[in-house]
Amino acid sequence: DVKVTQSSRYLVKRTGEKVFLECVQDMDHENMFWYRQDPGLGLRLIYFSYDVKMKEKGDIPEGYSVSREKKERFSLILESASTNQTSMYLCASSAGTSFLLYNEQFFGPGTRLTVL
Amino acid sequence: SQQGEEDPQALSIQEGENATMNCSYKTSINNLQWYRQNSGRGLVHLILIRSNEREKHSGRLRVTLDTSKKSSSLLITASRAADTASYFCATDAIFYNQGGKLIFGQGTELSVKP
Repeated sequence: DVKVTQSSRYLVKRTGEKVFLECVQDMDHENMFWYRQDPGLGLRLIYFSYDVKMKEKGDIPEGYSVSREKKERFSLILESASTNQTSMYLCASSAGTSFLLYNEQFFGPGTRLTVL
Repeated sequence: SQQGEEDPQALSIQEGENATMNCSYKTSINNLQWYRQNSGRGLVHLILIRSNEREKHSGRLRVTLDTSKKSSSLLITASRAADTASYFCATDAIFYNQGGKLIFGQGTELSVKP
């Protein structure tokens, strides 16, 4: 059974703290994604990665960075957390390296981050 | 920029009724997918329809795609209380020359009352 796991379901941090959100997939997928989800705004792509050590900016990369040192792990980093980064963060993975391929995404359960 | 727009934003029906959700998009696509999200959880893939297909079925789900109108609909027949969730359409726009990237709509919140 395919699985994407995220390090925490709930996280509370203070403004200015460095925050690490971890995501691990066990499907040997090439692609991994980080989204944030906010009421009324849907899912917005923060960063994604096609391969180890590769990363691409999504629609809202400001204030975030990512790391992909191993194929199965994709980390989202908030260098200095701010209150407007309070959100639900969703990680996903998919197989394939071309937009022409079937690209169903498998999601983790999400991390609800609150920045005080 | 928003590729997929769902309509309605919220839908409330009685158990046993059918639920129809619509999705419109702006650019040419390879395929369109529908996902479901239970409250506070991750998204789960429901069904994919390719740009050369017009209709697809999976259990109680029926998806249609009209590429001339750039729209899709998801029909859930004989709904159950357990179908209560948010439903999202997602497209991969051809002009995005990047593998596997999807663009999600804002979702339709479905409530099925017992």
